[in-house]
Amino acid sequence: KAGVTQTPRYLIKTRGQQVTLSCSPISGHRSVSWYQQTPGQGLQFLFEYFSETQRNKGNFPGRFSGRQFSNSRSEMNVSTLELGDSALYLCASSEGILYGYTFGSGTRLTVV
Amino acid sequence: GENVEQHPSTLSVQEGDSAVIKCTYSDSASNYFPWYKQELGKGPQLIIDIRSNVGEKKDQRIAVTLNKTAKHFSLHITETQPEDSAVYFCAAKDDLSGGSNYKLTFGKGTLLTVNP
Repeated sequence: KAGVTQTPRYLIKTRGQQVTLSCSPISGHRSVSWYQQTPGQGLQFLFEYFSETQRNKGNFPGRFSGRQFSNSRSEMNVSTLELGDSALYLCASSEGILYGYTFGSGTRLTVV
Repeated sequence: GENVEQHPSTLSVQEGDSAVIKCTYSDSASNYFPWYKQELGKGPQLIIDIRSNVGEKKDQRIAVTLNKTAKHFSLHITETQPEDSAVYFCAAKDDLSGGSNYKLTFGKGTLLTVNP
């Protein structure tokens, strides 16, 4: 089985721009979660989708948004980028409640 | 919300020694406790997990113990090898309450170094 695929792996953007990150979950997994990882804050939950519905959202500003498509692929969008948005963005997929999460390798976003 | 504390932040051991990493959680509703290993340039990899109806689980050199009363759980790695060197994260999740609980809350991580 292919793992969780995140694209792109690396991204450099300028303050004020917007960015879209993509995540393809493991085949058959309907739950997709997004996490932000920084040296200072560690791993922080952004949002979780199941069958195209957002079930939970973390404490991030409205500039962070996401969606899930009917094939379970997910995208997250960050608008009006700030320097502090520089981080590793991780996507994880799961078959659902009571199952573990498998993470992708992440997208390294650098805002300059 | 849930809060997970992880100790120590760094741990250095000699090859062949054992390593223990400890975590405490605050939400008594949490019932799922995974451990992840993250190597440089990679995403976290699930290495073992435990649910609250079990007190201990082993997988070869790795074991996890859970004390629900004290709200703490630990990762034990025996006969450590240089390839065990990585950052280890504990996490907690409430699988059953639904709603705002569909998320993992992570500890801050432990950098484990195994010296040959």
